[in-house]
Amino acid sequence: GAVVSQHPSRVICKSGTSVKIECRSLDFQATTMFWYRQFPKQSLMLMATSNEGSKATYEQGVEKDKFLINHASLTLSTLTVTSAHPEDSSFYICSARAGPLPSNEKLFFGSGTQLSVL
Amino acid sequence: RKEVEQDPGPFNVPEGATVAFNCTYSNSASQSFFWYRQDCRKEPKLLMSVYSSGNEDGRFTAQLNRASQYISLLIRDSKLSDSATYLCVVSTPSSGNTPLVFGKGTRLSVIA
Repeated sequence: GAVVSQHPSRVICKSGTSVKIECRSLDFQATTMFWYRQFPKQSLMLMATSNEGSKATYEQGVEKDKFLINHASLTLSTLTVTSAHPEDSSFYICSARAGPLPSNEKLFFGSGTQLSVL
Repeated sequence: RKEVEQDPGPFNVPEGATVAFNCTYSNSASQSFFWYRQDCRKEPKLLMSVYSSGNEDGRFTAQLNRASQYISLLIRDSKLSDSATYLCVVSTPSSGNTPLVFGKGTRLSVIA
């Protein structure tokens, strides 16, 4: 099946640094990518939706200037956590869709990135 | 009220037991329903879609009650490998880019 590659899988960084997470669709063109965040023992919370070539749509409460999303091509979306702080420590995961709903079989997840900010 | 609510868990059951998870959703416009499985620090993986008529896949049976906005998952003959967190997931299409809304998940531990 289709594969979404996400890396790095784990990042440990100092407070104040920026971290970039990449999400690539390896064998399909992802028209839409979603970025989720998951804190321990919590559900996946949607942060933003990005469409290739346009600005991302952020969910309420998510700072667009802090979480920069770039979806410059149909196979790559990046999430940059700028000036990371300990409260940003979380599990970040992307998902990509190759086509419109309702076919859930066309929604694929990256393997996630565990971010730890010291 | 949260969009998707699940049994809090954790469920600790012996091998071979039957276990049932429940889930309710708040948006009556929701159209697609799924159960995902998530292992610790891993990505969610689709277990099965849920249809109004109910559907079964081996030891797993899913039910949907639209009137009550209720979804269930039944696991029969539990295996050790079933230990994971089970996520109830709902989609409410308002455009072509509708994401999935995840419940908090219910943790299952199957014990030998």
